[in-house]
Amino acid sequence: AQSVTQLDSHVSVSEGTPVLLRCNYSSSYSPSLFWYVQHPNKGLQLLLKYTSAATLVKGINGFEAEFKKSETSFHLTKPSAHMSDAAEYFCVVNTRQAGTALIFGKGTTLSVSS
Amino acid sequence: DAGVIQSPRHEVTEMGQEVTLRCKPISGHNSLFWYRQTMMRGLELLIYFNNNVPIDDSGMPEDRFSAKMPNASFSTLKIQPSEPRDSAVYFCASSFIDEQYFGPGTRLTVT
Repeated sequence: AQSVTQLDSHVSVSEGTPVLLRCNYSSSYSPSLFWYVQHPNKGLQLLLKYTSAATLVKGINGFEAEFKKSETSFHLTKPSAHMSDAAEYFCVVNTRQAGTALIFGKGTTLSVSS
Repeated sequence: DAGVIQSPRHEVTEMGQEVTLRCKPISGHNSLFWYRQTMMRGLELLIYFNNNVPIDDSGMPEDRFSAKMPNASFSTLKIQPSEPRDSAVYFCASSFIDEQYFGPGTRLTVT
């Protein structure tokens, strides 16, 4: 069975400091993994995805994530936070079978202070 | 591409009324998903279709909820009768391979 755990429900950083949002997954298959972002009162936007081509995945807005099979982790990072990064972030796993549902983590709220 | 289109964006209705939410997926996508998001329960998958066929409706809360996909470019989620606890943001998403693309959502308020 597939599952995903976001280790922090809330992360607070100062503008210009690094961001780390942690995610662990469990999958019986070789998974596809995603990070989505949701700004207040908006829909979910795909930040990046991992599909086994490369373990370090670069996404939009300067975010990247590294797939570590040995640690079953897919943490999201950004070197320098911007105020506009304040949002909710979801780590998501798929079984890589087309047309199947995604499994969402419970989300991490990122706050950025000036 | 216009992305996933949902209508209406906001809906306010009285308890007992029928509510119909609409979704147009991205052209060429063959899977469509309906989600509900609330503060208490987070993001919940209600139902999804593959090639217009419902695959898993186990997330549909009760018989008051129904969803249809008459063709590849249109889906509806209907609540009849609506109740205040149905108040939430309802998202539609579509996909072709694995990543899903979400619509802007419909904010439903049932008074």
